[in-house]
Amino acid sequence: KNEVEQSPQNLTAQEGEFITINCSYSVGISALHWLQQHPGGGIVSLFMLSSGKKKHGRLIATINIQEKHSSLHITASHPRDSAVYICAVNYGTSGSRLTFGEGTQLTVNP
Amino acid sequence: DVKVTQSSRYLVKRTGEKVFLECVQDMDHENMFWYRQDPGLGLRLIYFSYDVKMKEKGDIPEGYSVSREKKERFSLILESASTNQTSMYLCASSTQGVGLYGYTFGSGTRLTVV
Repeated sequence: KNEVEQSPQNLTAQEGEFITINCSYSVGISALHWLQQHPGGGIVSLFMLSSGKKKHGRLIATINIQEKHSSLHITASHPRDSAVYICAVNYGTSGSRLTFGEGTQLTVNP
Repeated sequence: DVKVTQSSRYLVKRTGEKVFLECVQDMDHENMFWYRQDPGLGLRLIYFSYDVKMKEKGDIPEGYSVSREKKERFSLILESASTNQTSMYLCASSTQGVGLYGYTFGSGTRLTVV
């Protein structure tokens, strides 16, 4: 079964800390997505990766295709970063369908 | 700014009612998706559509149907609502192309069936 595993499930940090959320998947993918969901429900797409590394502001996403692993990093974390972060992948055989991890609840305290 | 718009943020319906959840996108995307999200279960695909009048079952289609008569609109129908369909429902769209294009999600509809 194609699965996406995220860790940790819950993460609490102090403002300013460097944060890492991990995602691993089981078989070959065509793309990996990092999504952000704030309380209230709407989901925002942060990154889409097929290789290497991407950076947007304080957010950095990396992917290691050989190890089937991706990380989302947040530098100089802020309370407004508090949200659920979700990893999702397009498996090669599933077309445009996404398979989702269960999400990581991040809380950043002032 | 590109958008996926869901018609309601919050909805309360009675058991047995027929419920329509509407989703409209303004990006001319071919693919549209309906997911439900439940604590501890994450996002699960109900149905998706890759073209007008085309639909495919997702992982949990039971108790649901969909309609896509126009490219920009994808409707989710609960034929006879039940309490176990109380959930957050999210619509999304994407262009064609395996994994090459990003997704845009709606704000979600929190449905309560009483």
